[in-house]
Amino acid sequence: AQSVAQPEDQVNVAEGNPLTVKCTYSVSGNPYLFWYVQYPNRGLQFLLKYITGDNLVKGSYGFEAEFNKSQTSFHLKKPSALVSDSALYFCAVRAYTGGFKTIFGAGTRLFVKA
Amino acid sequence: GAVVSQHPSRVICKSGTSVKIECRSLDFQATTMFWYRQFPKQSLMLMATSNEGSKATYEQGVEKDKFLINHASLTLSTLTVTSAHPEDSSFYICSASMIGGGAVPTDTQYFGPGTRLTVL
Repeated sequence: AQSVAQPEDQVNVAEGNPLTVKCTYSVSGNPYLFWYVQYPNRGLQFLLKYITGDNLVKGSYGFEAEFNKSQTSFHLKKPSALVSDSALYFCAVRAYTGGFKTIFGAGTRLFVKA
Repeated sequence: GAVVSQHPSRVICKSGTSVKIECRSLDFQATTMFWYRQFPKQSLMLMATSNEGSKATYEQGVEKDKFLINHASLTLSTLTVTSAHPEDSSFYICSASMIGGGAVPTDTQYFGPGTRLTVL
């Protein structure tokens, strides 16, 4: 079955430290992978996507994600976290399951402490 | 920056009635619009993608007759929940992109603030 897993409900990091939000997937074929962020007062935003090409994808606000085919992962990273990065992060994969469908992970809440 | 509005921000309706939600791009022409649904326990679902002037493309498992999407102009898309039932209660979010194409999100995708639908 096609699926996306975000194994951590919550991630806590100190401001200035690197952050990683994990995502693994299980789909047949070549996946399209995405990260979205939902801020408390600014709504949902699109961060980045992997379609093909370079495995390291750079997105908005200094975020990047690395597509790792062998580990079926697409972890979101940022070298230096900001308090303003505190939000809910969603990983998603687009797959063909008898029809196209974008499958979202359950979300990971990131807390960045000053 | 590009602004997308949704109206209403929240709506409460009785079971069996139909509800229309509007999504407008205020300062740009939206070639493609997306409709998402966020369930009470926060998980998201992409419902459909619409290109101006053509029929919406629904994701697998989304009932086309239940969730009617119209993208009649380059600045307006509407989602109508027909014969709403309590299980349709959700947070509905639209987004708009200046770039045409399919259901793959673009870097210039701007989201509306969402509409909270409660069906009694």
